Amino acid sequence: GIQVEQSPPDLILQEGANSTLRCNFSDSVNNLQWFHQNPWGQLINLFYIPSGTKQNGRLSATTVATERYSLLYISSSQTTDSGVYFCAVLGNTPLVFGKGTRLSVIA
Amino acid sequence: GAGVSQSPSNKVTEKGKDVELRCDPISGHTALYWYRQSLGQGLEFLIYFQGNSAPDKSGLPSDRFSAERTGGSVSTLTIQRTQQEDSAVYLCASSVGFGNNEQFFGPGTRLTVL
Repeated sequence: GIQVEQSPPDLILQEGANSTLRCNFSDSVNNLQWFHQNPWGQLINLFYIPSGTKQNGRLSATTVATERYSLLYISSSQTTDSGVYFCAVLGNTPLVFGKGTRLSVIA
Repeated sequence: GAGVSQSPSNKVTEKGKDVELRCDPISGHTALYWYRQSLGQGLEFLIYFQGNSAPDKSGLPSDRFSAERTGGSVSTLTIQRTQQEDSAVYLCASSVGFGNNEQFFGPGTRLTVL
């Protein structure tokens, strides 16, 4: 089955800093989603991005499907950005998740 | 409803008991999915429904797990004779249709088996 790898596994940022999270996947996918899991465990949809680039406020994402990777950019980070960021891809079976990047933003 | 809802939010049970977890998808969503999140296994897919039909049950961890969906809406995930390794957060998601459609997740049910 499809393998999804996310890097880095852990990231600590000073408030206001920028960061890039990466998601690599091992095979062609039909779709890709980025999620933020908040401290209460809720998975919040960030981007639905099978290809191309999207932006939403301080967040943006780019997926290059032909090279099998996606990037999530966080600019001017805030303490409320803390949590775990998951990449998930849709192959032949419903979403396969990476292990996530745990982000801690320090004031 | 406005989003996917799940109940109960927390469930503590004794080993060997049966439990039922409920999921209410977003109104109009025909596809429904169950996932499980545990410390050792991360987020893993269990089963999905297209309407009331579950075409692929291979993700269910054992024959103690079953799921059904009625009326193309509410789904229940049943775990019989619970074991301690069943302790996890069970997440439900729904989408407009199966396939290349964005999935939206509920808040999850945290199951603890003592």
